[in-house]
Amino acid sequence: QVQVVQSEGEMKTPGASVKVSCRASGYNFVDYGFSWVRQAPGHGLEWMGWISAYYGDTHFARKFQGRVTLTRDISTNTVFMEMTSLRSDDTAVYYCVSEREKRGVVFFGHWGQGTLVTVSS
Amino acid sequence: DIQMTQSPSSLSASVGDRVTITCRASQSIGSSLNWYQHKPGKAPEVLIYATSILQAGVPSRFSGRGSGTDFTLTISSLEPEDFATYYCQQSATDPRSFGQGTKVDMK
Repeated sequence: QVQVVQSEGEMKTPGASVKVSCRASGYNFVDYGFSWVRQAPGHGLEWMGWISAYYGDTHFARKFQGRVTLTRDISTNTVFMEMTSLRSDDTAVYYCVSEREKRGVVFFGHWGQGTLVTVSS
Repeated sequence: DIQMTQSPSSLSASVGDRVTITCRASQSIGSSLNWYQHKPGKAPEVLIYATSILQAGVPSRFSGRGSGTDFTLTISSLEPEDFATYYCQQSATDPRSFGQGTKVDMK
């Protein structure tokens, strides 16, 4: 069965960087793209960006452009999300999602368990 | 960017109630609308994709309708495990935006 497993939670100080990993299994890794979605405390779900597992090209929400980097390693079926210049309002649970497409519509089919990133001095 | 607006933001209901959540897009998204259920401490799960297609394993009491800019998620008879927050999400164009969520709690 499909599994999406993320790295453990991180505690960071303001201005630092964080890199979260996400390993997928149970399907052909390069067949689908990955999105990253976050949820800050008391807030809803926020889409951050997407990476093609096959080509490695990326798209980002405007607020994350330039501060977030998405990469993938086909040899290990892993995608990475790196965020720089962390602020306290980046404290959130970060989800990696393996997308699916059916009937011409892309949706967030398989979610990782989430990684809590806490930014505090 | 396409803005997604859900209503209501929250609602209180009882087991057995019929519940309807509305989602409106700021411009037409065709049928590129998905619904997710999110419970505290767990990852969200897809319920419905492409407006009305139930994801495998999702109970038939869930249904979705709409097209263009106006969409609904209906739970025909609320079960105890349905108390959660529900999000709509459009995938017609990037950024793939979510609605703000609708929290369904117990009356």
